Amino acid sequence: DVKVTQSSRYLVKRTGEKVFLECVQDMDHENMFWYRQDPGLGLRLIYFSYDVKMKEKGDIPEGYSVSREKKERFSLILESASTNQTSMYLCASSFLAGSYEQYFGPGTRLTVT
Amino acid sequence: GDSVTQMEGPVTLSEEAFLTINCTYTATGYPSLFWYVQYPGEGLQLLLKATKADDKGSNKGFEATYRKETTSFHLEKGSVQVSDSAVYFCALRANAGNNRKLIWGLGTSLAVNP
Repeated sequence: DVKVTQSSRYLVKRTGEKVFLECVQDMDHENMFWYRQDPGLGLRLIYFSYDVKMKEKGDIPEGYSVSREKKERFSLILESASTNQTSMYLCASSFLAGSYEQYFGPGTRLTVT
Repeated sequence: GDSVTQMEGPVTLSEEAFLTINCTYTATGYPSLFWYVQYPGEGLQLLLKATKADDKGSNKGFEATYRKETTSFHLEKGSVQVSDSAVYFCALRANAGNNRKLIWGLGTSLAVNP
């Protein structure tokens, strides 16, 4: 069965901390994505990656960075967490071609205090 | 640029009622169209898709038809159940340009009462 896993379901961090969110997929997908989901704003793309060590900015990359050292793993990094980064973070993956269906992890609810 | 517009929620229905959630899009050419569903406390999962005009996607009693002439992909179900309570997202993938990513609607929350 297809699986995307995220390192934590719930996370509480303090303002100014460096935060790492990890995502792992077991489907050999080329593409991986990080979204944040906020009430009334839907899904907003932060960054995506289409290959190891390759990345592209999404719609709201400010305050975030990413790392993809291995094909199955895509990390989202908050260099200095702020309260306005409190949100639900969703990771997804897909093949580079074909139906392009995205498979999602369960999400990480991050609270920055 | 490309965009997706969904009807605003929340939508509240009684069990066995008919459901329609409207979705219209703006895109050049023939994009692929998707409906995703997010059940409480979970990530999103693909509900159905259509990749060319007049295609009908269907799954779990839900249907949507790709209408090029009206640029629409409305989601319908004849008889909803309490277990259908979720947030529904319409999305498109462009068929040209930077089409590695999906363009998302804002989501429509559905609550079904017994």
